[in-house]
Amino acid sequence: DTAVSQTPKYLVTQMGNDKSIKCEQNLGHDTMYWYKQDSKKFLKIMFSYNNKELIINETVPNRFSPKSPDKAHLNLHINSLELGDSAVYFCASSQQGQGAYEQYFGPGTRLTVT
Amino acid sequence: QKEVEQDPGPLSVPEGAIVSLNCTYSNSAFQYFMWYRQYSRKGPELLMYTYSSGNKEDGRFTAQVDKSSKYISLFIRDSQPSDSATYLCAMSFRGAQKLVFGQGTRLTINP
Repeated sequence: DTAVSQTPKYLVTQMGNDKSIKCEQNLGHDTMYWYKQDSKKFLKIMFSYNNKELIINETVPNRFSPKSPDKAHLNLHINSLELGDSAVYFCASSQQGQGAYEQYFGPGTRLTVT
Repeated sequence: QKEVEQDPGPLSVPEGAIVSLNCTYSNSAFQYFMWYRQYSRKGPELLMYTYSSGNKEDGRFTAQVDKSSKYISLFIRDSQPSDSATYLCAMSFRGAQKLVFGQGTRLTINP
């Protein structure tokens, strides 16, 4: 059973389009995250949700809007895609109270904007 | 200057060698220190974590934290080709839900 899953795995789209990435975790965790990994492998947090509530928003452009319908799901919608949005996006989850250190990552969504 | 600095490599060593991977950081408030391993085209997975200073050993892996020097290390003994991956150090504050990652070091173990 996959612990943290993301769809789609690959996404190729043109500038200006709007796209969504979905994430689901079956670990029973109450905290979920979105990270962006650039071409140099630098992994940077974008958002964190705890029990459907936004707790971290790391100066991400307004074009990025996360949505958490329940604590097992965290989706990421991106409006007006730009070339610089090309990256691998990782979803992760952890259990609050056990520290943020043990985060479980999904397989990533490789977004290419042309 | 980034909060966490890590040499991206690449680092290539022969099988059986001892590997040393390092990170430096600038924020003395960090208390949790982690090493994540990321295989190609996969998500990172937690390898080891250490709270505050000291050493921690798990099989062939040893993590060291020197808070006075703001320096952490991961040693891999008897390295295997299956250890070939990108190794990311990460840090967090007590009670924080956020990890701050280094850039990752790409490691290749040659048979």
